[in-house]
Amino acid sequence: QVTLRESGPALVRPTETLTLTCTFSGFSLSTSAMCVSWIRQPPGKALEWLALIDWDDKKYYTTSLRTRLIISKDTSTNQVVLTMTNMDPVDTATYYCGRVLNRGTIEGVDYWGQGARVTVSS
Amino acid sequence: QSVLTQPPSASHTPGQRVTISCSGSNSNIGRNYVFWYQQLPGTAPKVLIYKNNQRPPGVPDRLSGSKSGTSASLAISGLRSEDEGDYYCAAWDDSLSGLVFGGGTKLTVL
Repeated sequence: QVTLRESGPALVRPTETLTLTCTFSGFSLSTSAMCVSWIRQPPGKALEWLALIDWDDKKYYTTSLRTRLIISKDTSTNQVVLTMTNMDPVDTATYYCGRVLNRGTIEGVDYWGQGARVTVSS
Repeated sequence: QSVLTQPPSASHTPGQRVTISCSGSNSNIGRNYVFWYQQLPGTAPKVLIYKNNQRPPGVPDRLSGSKSGTSASLAISGLRSEDEGDYYCAAWDDSLSGLVFGGGTKLTVL
């Protein structure tokens, strides 16, 4: 059974770097077709995709935040880490990780974590 | 401004049928699979439809998904109070090389 869980700080100061970890089970990121994605949702707003990493270590980032994001994986610990630099209060959101499949075409998120709420405030 | 366009809200009475639309382009819905999610307050999105029209185990068959060209729809028949929530469509966009979401539709069951 596939599960994902996000972890990281609940409060970040402006200009600091946010580091979030997605710990998953039920699949391996060294297996073909497996990908993990990060999505966020500001309070009262829509879902916003941030980044994706695949089994072959190929990485994709949303254009608007490309310069601030880094996604990486550790297949030995079944973890994916997202770092976001220069945090601002507008980055306050719930951050989700999710599994995505690429079976010839990249699909949507088929399993979601419970989310990690991050507040950016001094 | 979301890449996929959804109506912001819909309201219907119990027992009715509702259709939520999702409009995109050739680079996303036109070429790739559409997923639909339901999100209840304070919870993570739940997959209702994957690969355009497939239901995961546990999702009732009164929910259905369809796709035609660059648009997709989610239909819910026999509307119930527990169907209230926010609904999102999503698809990979080949031009943006990213996953794109609709702005969400808030469904109210009167």
